[in-house]
Amino acid sequence: NAGVTQTPKFQVLKTGQSMTLQCAQDMNHEYMSWYRQDPGMGLRLIHYSVGAGITDQGEVPNGYNVSRSTTEDFPLRLLSAAPSQTSVYFCASSTAGGKRAFFGQGTRLTVV
Amino acid sequence: AQKITQTQPGMFVQEKEAVTLDCTYDTSDQSYGLFWYKQPSSGEMIFLIYQGSYDEQNATEGRYSLNFQKARKSANLVISASQLGDSAMYFCAMREGLGAGNMLTFGGGTRLMVKP
Repeated sequence: NAGVTQTPKFQVLKTGQSMTLQCAQDMNHEYMSWYRQDPGMGLRLIHYSVGAGITDQGEVPNGYNVSRSTTEDFPLRLLSAAPSQTSVYFCASSTAGGKRAFFGQGTRLTVV
Repeated sequence: AQKITQTQPGMFVQEKEAVTLDCTYDTSDQSYGLFWYKQPSSGEMIFLIYQGSYDEQNATEGRYSLNFQKARKSANLVISASQLGDSAMYFCAMREGLGAGNMLTFGGGTRLMVKP
């Protein structure tokens, strides 16, 4: 009963380093999304995907890349980390008209 | 303009009492969905309740109900018989369009504190 799995749970990066946040779901959902949550705020959409091979930008896409080669996986890449990217990152999945979005446990990223 | 507005940054409620958390939304779509999520101090996002724009009845899930007033564009969450474990951040979110999946716009949240 895994649902949405994010790795790692915590990460510290130095400015300019790159890394990939992993997200996998086992519910065969078409839709997957990445959000970031800054302290004291709601979640904001970074990128989303409506199926394998299809991705698009959300509200705050700058500094992030995504790809979706399989239904299950939707990795988020930071090419050159900046302190402004310090945040908690959530991955979500759902069906197109689903009455619920399933969220992963989150990744707490600190860029120093 | 803000698409989701939660005007109560923080609220206190006495244990066993009911509490209403406010949410107003702004959309020109006829088809949309409204969600409430709970975020405890551990950080995970816990789904509470969903209301579709075409649903004629207010949604209910256990102690949670959604007071949906379409003309006023409000979707308030009502928690009955508050428990200490209800202390958390609560987020209202909206999906615009029928097939928009998990592309949600979130409000800024309300921190609920339940007093024993």
